[in-house]
Amino acid sequence: DVKVTQSSRYLVKRTGEKVFLECVQDMDHENMFWYRQDPGLGLRLIYFSYDVKMKEKGDIPEGYSVSREKKERFSLILESASTNQTSMYLCASSSRRGAYGYTFGSGTRLTVV
Amino acid sequence: SQKIEQNSEALNIQEGKTATLTCNYTNYSPAYLQWYRQDPGRGPVFLLLIRENEKEKRKERLKVTFDTTLKQSLFHITASQPADSATYLCALEDSGYALNFGKGTSLLVTP
Repeated sequence: DVKVTQSSRYLVKRTGEKVFLECVQDMDHENMFWYRQDPGLGLRLIYFSYDVKMKEKGDIPEGYSVSREKKERFSLILESASTNQTSMYLCASSSRRGAYGYTFGSGTRLTVV
Repeated sequence: SQKIEQNSEALNIQEGKTATLTCNYTNYSPAYLQWYRQDPGRGPVFLLLIRENEKEKRKERLKVTFDTTLKQSLFHITASQPADSATYLCALEDSGYALNFGKGTSLLVTP
């Protein structure tokens, strides 16, 4: 089964900590994405990447950075975690321009205390 | 600004009936539109993609229509089952590479 794997299902971090969320896909997809999902706000795009070492800002990139050193891995970094970054984080991948749909991971529920 | 609107009110229907969910959009010229299913605490799962030159697409009990003049897509589940209960998301791609999602409509199918 092809899949997108997120490293942690649940994570609790302290305010000010640097947080790494890892995502790995085994489908040889060119594109990878990070979204966060909050009640009433839906899915919001943080960053995406269409190639190794390439990245594009999404709608809400502030407070986040990303790294894509290998095609299969896309990392989301919270430089200094804050309580307003408590959320469900979803990684996805797609082939080319997503004409065949996105494959999502199961999500990481991050709580910042 | 670009908007994707889905009915925020939950849709409750009886098992066996057809569920119809609506997606309206503004300020997009999409080449295609996608529908996803999301269960609580899980990531969305891709269901169907319909292209701008397709009026209708079917997959098993699912049917999607796409009217680029009305800027609307309808998503139908026929012979609905309690296992179809979930949140359904509509998604469109902007001028870049990333999908934008509607906030979803919750469907509850009762026996």
